Amino acid sequence: DGGITQSPKYLFRKEGQNVTLSCEQNLNHDAMYWYRQDPGQGLRLIYYSQIVNDFQKGDIAEGYSVSREKKESFPLTVTSAQKNPTAFYLCASSPPGQSETQYFGPGTRLLVL
Amino acid sequence: QKEVEQNSGPLSVPEGAIASLNCTYSDRGSQSFFWYRQYSGKSPELIMFIYSNGDKEDGRFTAQLNKASQYVSLLIRDSQPSDSATYLCAGTQGGSEKLVFGKGTKLTVNP
Repeated sequence: DGGITQSPKYLFRKEGQNVTLSCEQNLNHDAMYWYRQDPGQGLRLIYYSQIVNDFQKGDIAEGYSVSREKKESFPLTVTSAQKNPTAFYLCASSPPGQSETQYFGPGTRLLVL
Repeated sequence: QKEVEQNSGPLSVPEGAIASLNCTYSDRGSQSFFWYRQYSGKSPELIMFIYSNGDKEDGRFTAQLNKASQYVSLLIRDSQPSDSATYLCAGTQGGSEKLVFGKGTKLTVNP
């Protein structure tokens, strides 16, 4: 059963806390992406990775960190430096040779307590 | 700043009508364009992509691209209530695989 999974579905963060969002894919996709979606806004790119052990900042990387130790996994950490973390976080991946064609996971909704 | 612009709507059409969704982009280097459908509270789902000028048809959906006018559109024929969603337009940033997304157009199909 192939696909992109994200967990948890909902996540609550306390002030000053770091939280990590999981993104896993078993599609053998090379490239993976993290986006943030706010109400009434387009998707904004946080980080992306085209190969294992390499990743680049997107348009709004401040307050976030990522790792890409395995092809299948691209976790996103929302650090305490991110002052407005409440949003819908979407992970996407692209097939080999079609790096611009992105498929999305189900998303994680992050709320601040 | 590379931008993709969409009319936020809402666009309301009766069941069975043609829904026309439009998108303009500022980056002349953009090569590929994508339409995603996003139901409320869900993640975007890829429904169409287009690389070449002209029309591309897939079932009830037709994507149209005019690079000279920097214009992309999505036509949905025989609209159904299940088509009610927000439709996101995205284009590649010139020379890269990164996508720039519009804010989306909310479509409502009335039974």
